[in-house]
Amino acid sequence: LAKTTQPISMDSYEGQEVNITCSHNNIATNDYITWYQQFPSQGPRFIIQGYKTKVTNEVASLFIPADRKSSTLSLPRVSLSDTAVYYCLVSGGGADGLTFGKGTHLIIQP
Amino acid sequence: NAGVTQTPKFQVLKTGQSMTLQCAQDMNHEYMSWYRQDPGMGLRLIHYSVGAGITDQGEVPNGYNVSRSTTEDFPLRLLSAAPSQTSVYFCASSYGGNSNQPQHFGDGTRLSIL
Repeated sequence: LAKTTQPISMDSYEGQEVNITCSHNNIATNDYITWYQQFPSQGPRFIIQGYKTKVTNEVASLFIPADRKSSTLSLPRVSLSDTAVYYCLVSGGGADGLTFGKGTHLIIQP
Repeated sequence: NAGVTQTPKFQVLKTGQSMTLQCAQDMNHEYMSWYRQDPGMGLRLIHYSVGAGITDQGEVPNGYNVSRSTTEDFPLRLLSAAPSQTSVYFCASSYGGNSNQPQHFGDGTRLSIL
């Protein structure tokens, strides 16, 4: 499984756009990039998944450059409730589960 | 639609005791898995199953057993609890037989071994 590197923590303010970048230099051809969000005392929750270019849903956007060695999760107009840990995962879809790193602890202030 | 249900939510055990953590899903998902999460760490895979009757080991399987007799249930058994197994345990499920599908997680079981 490709290893990912993301910032340990980030701070922002309500109403701002937040971008969290993840590096995955040894991503394989059949790997997808997936982001999960985890609140305290809860299990992770799927946010978004992509393979290349840009993916957007009602929660976030995911930007993936042509070389796919990094990806950026974009959260538009964050609120206090977006304070959580965000995990970037790279997986080829094998049956042997997901590899979660330590994630990025995002703190949103008023 | 309950999703993934884990019981109990909290448990305290003494060293050497055994217990079973329950996990049930009502989404007819083929793929189920168990993770543990230690303070300040990401999740580590313990065991997984791609369908009823099929189980396999993950990254940290020692001290744990699983079985998958039905599609809905995937219990995790601690054979002889040790303090190193103090952790938060999460069960997850998804469509299909691989981990690329969006995983649905339960709210966890917080386990303390004294």
